[in-house]
Amino acid sequence: AQSVAQPEDQVNVAEGNPLTVKCTYSVSGNPYLFWYVQYPNRGLQFLLKYITGDNLVKGSYGFEAEFNKSQTSFHLKKPSALVSDSALYFCAVRDDNYGQNFVFGPGTRLSVLP
Amino acid sequence: GAGVSQTPSNKVTEKGKYVELRCDPISGHTALYWYRQSLGQGPEFLIYFQGTGAADDSGLPNDRFFAVRPEGSVSTLKIQRTERGDSAVYLCASSLGTGTGNEAFFGQGTRLTVV
Repeated sequence: AQSVAQPEDQVNVAEGNPLTVKCTYSVSGNPYLFWYVQYPNRGLQFLLKYITGDNLVKGSYGFEAEFNKSQTSFHLKKPSALVSDSALYFCAVRDDNYGQNFVFGPGTRLSVLP
Repeated sequence: GAGVSQTPSNKVTEKGKYVELRCDPISGHTALYWYRQSLGQGPEFLIYFQGTGAADDSGLPNDRFFAVRPEGSVSTLKIQRTERGDSAVYLCASSLGTGTGNEAFFGQGTRLTVV
């Protein structure tokens, strides 16, 4: 079965500094990887995805993520953090061997300090 | 609006009562998902519909939980004999077709509180 780990419960970064939110996954088939962001009292908002092709994918709000097959990782990055990026971030995976549901990680709370 | 709509946004019910949660997906999206999110945790899969049929209901915790999508659009999640442990935010999402690479779009959720 597929699984997702987000090893950091909380990430703190100063405004203007680069940020990284980590994600590792486990699947038996081909991985389809997604990042979502959740603001307080809101639903999940799609940021970006990796399906195939270029390992570096770019998404909304200046976010990007790098797929690394050998390390089974899909870390979310942004070159310069904004205070408004403070939110809960979820990594999710789909495995084409196991149907259509998304399996989510436990989430990482990002705090960008002014 | 063009997004996924969930009603009600908040529901407080007494232990043992029956509740229904409604989801109106994005028009044209054939896939619909229900997830449950407890405080401080990631969303937990409940059930997935492709069209009118439940393609995967392996996440439903027990037979008190049931969901329908009779016309392939609006879905209702039904919970019988509610328990305090059912308190959570119930999220609905929809996606375009069955492609594994299709992202899901989420509604704002229904916060269910069982007292």
